[in-house]
Amino acid sequence: DIVLTQSPVLAVSLGQRATISCRASQSVSISSINLMHWYQQKPGQQPKLLIYRASNLASGIPARFSGSGSGTDFTLTIDPVQADDIAAYYCQQSRESPNTFGAGTKLELK
Amino acid sequence: QVTLKESGPGILQPSHTLSLTCSFSGFSLSTYGMGVSWIRQPSGKGLEWLASIWWNGNTYNNPSLKSRLTVSKDTSNNQAFLKVTSVDTADTATYYCAHTRLAQIRGTGGYFDYWGQGVMVTVSS
Repeated sequence: DIVLTQSPVLAVSLGQRATISCRASQSVSISSINLMHWYQQKPGQQPKLLIYRASNLASGIPARFSGSGSGTDFTLTIDPVQADDIAAYYCQQSRESPNTFGAGTKLELK
Repeated sequence: QVTLKESGPGILQPSHTLSLTCSFSGFSLSTYGMGVSWIRQPSGKGLEWLASIWWNGNTYNNPSLKSRLTVSKDTSNNQAFLKVTSVDTADTATYYCAHTRLAQIRGTGGYFDYWGQGVMVTVSS
């Protein structure tokens, strides 16, 4: 299985930039297609898709969210961080079955 | 507008079979590139993909659950189903179904762009 590694916690100040990383145990890219996706989950809610195929903003998601990366290293950036962004963030790969998720990064306020 | 809703027993005993239904609207499971996936989350923990069923009837299961999973669909009635046999306390979790889009041509996986609210399942004697 492809293992996705995320830092458990990231502390940021409101108005600053948050950079959340996800490292895969092997490449999740095929040719120029990067099969990494990002989700936000707030307590008591279902996850919400933010970014698909590494850098594509999902419908209705604010432009302060962006994604980048290829191969094994991917980043979700939130700039600037707002109070509503305090949540857990998960990466997910669809390069191979089984699809796998990272363990999640909790975004906290400094 | 895509919506999904899970339904299930709430609580069941160890060794029994868990049966879940995902009722959805706003898309058809006969449309190319569309699927429904099942994902679960134990309380306070992360997400685990369980299975996906695609527009063409192909299914993919997480081998970590060995052969305990069966996923199926009723395209005419806009429903998908998940069965988990021989449950134990480790299967206690919130179970989500999610609309899934094929992430690449001729691929087997996708991303989950719409999620149900989830159904909590407790396995207890």
